[in-house]
Amino acid sequence: DGGITQSPKYLFRKEGQNVTLSCEQNLNHDAMYWYRQDPGQGLRLIYYSQIVNDFQKGDIAEGYSVSREKKESFPLTVTSAQKNPTAFYLCASLKTGRGNTIYFGEGSWLTVV
Amino acid sequence: AQKVTQAQTEISVVEKEDVTLDCVYETRDTTYYLFWYKQPPSGELVFLIRRNSFDEQNEISGRYSWNFQKSTSSFNFTITASQVVDSAVYFCALSELRRMDSSYKLIFGSGTRLLVRP
Repeated sequence: DGGITQSPKYLFRKEGQNVTLSCEQNLNHDAMYWYRQDPGQGLRLIYYSQIVNDFQKGDIAEGYSVSREKKESFPLTVTSAQKNPTAFYLCASLKTGRGNTIYFGEGSWLTVV
Repeated sequence: AQKVTQAQTEISVVEKEDVTLDCVYETRDTTYYLFWYKQPPSGELVFLIRRNSFDEQNEISGRYSWNFQKSTSSFNFTITASQVVDSAVYFCALSELRRMDSSYKLIFGSGTRLLVRP
């Protein structure tokens, strides 16, 4: 089954701890993205990667880090430096061709306790 | 600056009513794409439609229709004969292409929560 898989779906973290959210896609897409969504708000871009071993900061990259060692994988680490990490995180990838379209995974809920 | 505005925060209708979700955008690009996504309570964003800036034809897909008007920078979404299953948050989005590195990303509006009551 092709798609974008995010894990875990729900995650609780203690303050001061780093946590890594997984994102895997088997769609053979080059570009991948991480967005953050806060309750009642739109999506804000954290990081994106156009190709393996390359990534760029989005609008709210502070307190986050990413890696892109494989085409299929784009994990996001929420570090202790992120002041308000409780949010819904969405991973996405870009299908190119006749018009570019970004498709999303099911998301991960992160709660800091 | 690129911007998407969805002025309607929340809309509540009774089943079988028609409802229109508004989207207004700002862009300096001459070529761009506009999108609508649906976010049901489960959280996943479901792609509904992509519209090229050169194509102003309205589109209909079942009970869904989209009205793109470049002159007013609007891309409105209408659901005809709404159903309870249409209850979700709907996001309008605008593409942004950076020429210096050919990066492509989406700018999202804040979303409109649609509640369809039986």
